[in-house]
Amino acid sequence: GIQVEQSPPDLILQEGANSTLRCNFSDSVNNLQWFHQNPWGQLINLFYIPSGTKQNGRLSATTVATERYSLLYISSSQTTDSGVYFCAVELWGTGRRALTFGSGTRLQVQP
Amino acid sequence: DTEVTQTPKHLVMGMTNKKSLKCEQHMGHRAMYWYKQKAKKPPELMFVYSYEKLSINESVPSRFSPECPNSSLLNLHLHALQPEDSALYLCASSQEQDSKQFFGPGTRLTVL
Repeated sequence: GIQVEQSPPDLILQEGANSTLRCNFSDSVNNLQWFHQNPWGQLINLFYIPSGTKQNGRLSATTVATERYSLLYISSSQTTDSGVYFCAVELWGTGRRALTFGSGTRLQVQP
Repeated sequence: DTEVTQTPKHLVMGMTNKKSLKCEQHMGHRAMYWYKQKAKKPPELMFVYSYEKLSINESVPSRFSPECPNSSLLNLHLHALQPEDSALYLCASSQEQDSKQFFGPGTRLTVL
């Protein structure tokens, strides 16, 4: 079946630190998106990134489709970065045009 | 308008009740989604509508009934739910079915 694995499952940072979150997937991707879910449940789309590198402020993401992984970089972390980060993928060849979410990385940024 | 709205924010219902969740977007998106999320778990897809037609039903029990009255609206009709159906129900939309998805704030449902 579709495999989407995220690491680490939990991460605690001091404010100002940098971090890298990883998403591994089991097949070629049509579609890969990174989301941040805040403590109130709101999911925010951070990146639509089936391949290549994108940057948005302190966040950047890289997907290496040929090696089946994606990385989300958070620099100079702030307490508002706390929450759960999900990677979601649509895998090529499944015929299923829908996202499957990884189990997430729970990030806590301490002041 | 660049947001997805959902009503109500919270809903408590008994197992014999009938209720509906509502989702609306005015971004001209042609794909809309219902997800269910249990505590400390990722969202799980329930239904996808594309161009107002049901595209995916993830073998969801018939006590959940989706409806897409027009391209901006998505409803989820609930009846005879079980306590284990208590969860956060999330609506999302995207330009096309494999485009960037935008989520609403969700409805927290409690079934007593």
